[in-house]
Amino acid sequence: NAGVMQNPRHLVRRRGQEARLRCSPMKGHSHVYWYRQLPEEGLKFMVYLQKENIIDESGMPKERFSAEFPKEGPSILRIQQVVRGDSAAYFCASSPGGPNTGELFFGEGSRLTVL
Amino acid sequence: KQEVTQIPAALSVPEGENLVLNCSFTDSAIYNLQWFRQDPGKGLTSLLLIQSSQREQTSGRLNASLDKSSGRSTLYIAASQPGDSATYLCAVLVDYKLSFGAGTTVTVRA
Repeated sequence: NAGVMQNPRHLVRRRGQEARLRCSPMKGHSHVYWYRQLPEEGLKFMVYLQKENIIDESGMPKERFSAEFPKEGPSILRIQQVVRGDSAAYFCASSPGGPNTGELFFGEGSRLTVL
Repeated sequence: KQEVTQIPAALSVPEGENLVLNCSFTDSAIYNLQWFRQDPGKGLTSLLLIQSSQREQTSGRLNASLDKSSGRSTLYIAASQPGDSATYLCAVLVDYKLSFGAGTTVTVRA
């Protein structure tokens, strides 16, 4: 049973470009979460999604950031018009039931560098 | 707002010594507490999960305790090995969201 798969593992973008980060949850998991780890800071919650629904996006910046988890395919975290402050590691996690029912399993992360 | 603090921020011990890592949180209304390990440039590996109704969990050389009323958890690692060198993160779950501490970076010297 493969773990949570994230790609790309490393992404370099110039200011103003778009970044798309993908996350395939573990098999049988229908709940996906995105967290961000800024340099020298702890991980912070961004968004919680179920298939075709955003449950909680209270940790997402109001502009330029969006997330989706379509019926088919991976969850996507999209950052438009990237700025240097977006440079961070973005981690995806999944769980089989809701987050209050058990353990969250994390992927290896996608490391975004904005030049 | 939930605040999670981990002390110490860094720890260096000789091989074979026992490790004690501390975690405190401000809001005791948590669903569970997880301890993770993070190696440089890598993802998070879950070590132990303690439900809010539990007092401790054990896995091999690892033991974690939880005192929800006082907002504290302790991770014990017995007979440390160089392979235990990593950053250890404590996280509490409230309302869908994990709140993480900044971590304790452990170095085990051979």
